[in-house]
Amino acid sequence: GNSVTQMEGPVTLSEEAFLTINCTYTATGYPSLFWYVQYPGEGLQLLLKATKADDKGSNKVFEATYRKETTSFHLEKGSVQVSDSAVYFCALYEGTSYGKLTFGQGTILTVHP
Amino acid sequence: DTAVSQTPKYLVTQMGNDKSIKCEQNLGHDTMYWYKQDSKKFLKIMFSYNNKELIINETVPNRFSPKSPDKAHLNLHINSLELGDSAVYFCASSQAGTSSPLHFGNGTRLTVT
Repeated sequence: GNSVTQMEGPVTLSEEAFLTINCTYTATGYPSLFWYVQYPGEGLQLLLKATKADDKGSNKVFEATYRKETTSFHLEKGSVQVSDSAVYFCALYEGTSYGKLTFGQGTILTVHP
Repeated sequence: DTAVSQTPKYLVTQMGNDKSIKCEQNLGHDTMYWYKQDSKKFLKIMFSYNNKELIINETVPNRFSPKSPDKAHLNLHINSLELGDSAVYFCASSQAGTSSPLHFGNGTRLTVT
């Protein structure tokens, strides 16, 4: 079956540090890949997505590249802010079941001033 | 305007009671979902409905019964609540059968005492 594995958290960084959250996946086909973010007390929001190999998903500050050879979709940001403190979820959609996303276990990020 | 809204935000109840959570989306999406998030932030799909028809039912106890009166609403009724049902329940919606992103509500935190 499909699965998504994220790096263990929590991750603690100082403001302006570089962020990487690792994500690897297992899928039988060619999934679409997503990163979602969950701020405290809120639901998940889409951060970015990539639908095919070598695509770079981006929302101008976060980015992730779909690497089929390493089955990875690592999230990066060049300079984190305190407001980036949240839980980050990597997810995949394989298209065989209506909208059913397989989520990773989530990575808690805390950014200190 | 809130895209996916669910009520109540908090629900505290005793074991054995029956409770309902309501969800509405104003995005015109065809597909709606219920996800359960446990205390470790792990997200698991429970149900999905497409145009009022049940599509996904992920080995959820039959004490949980979703109801979709129309494609903009998906309610969750839970009978005979148990301590292990304590979690945050998220409603979500998306366009059917595509890799379109899910739009989540802000969650209902259910505490069973």
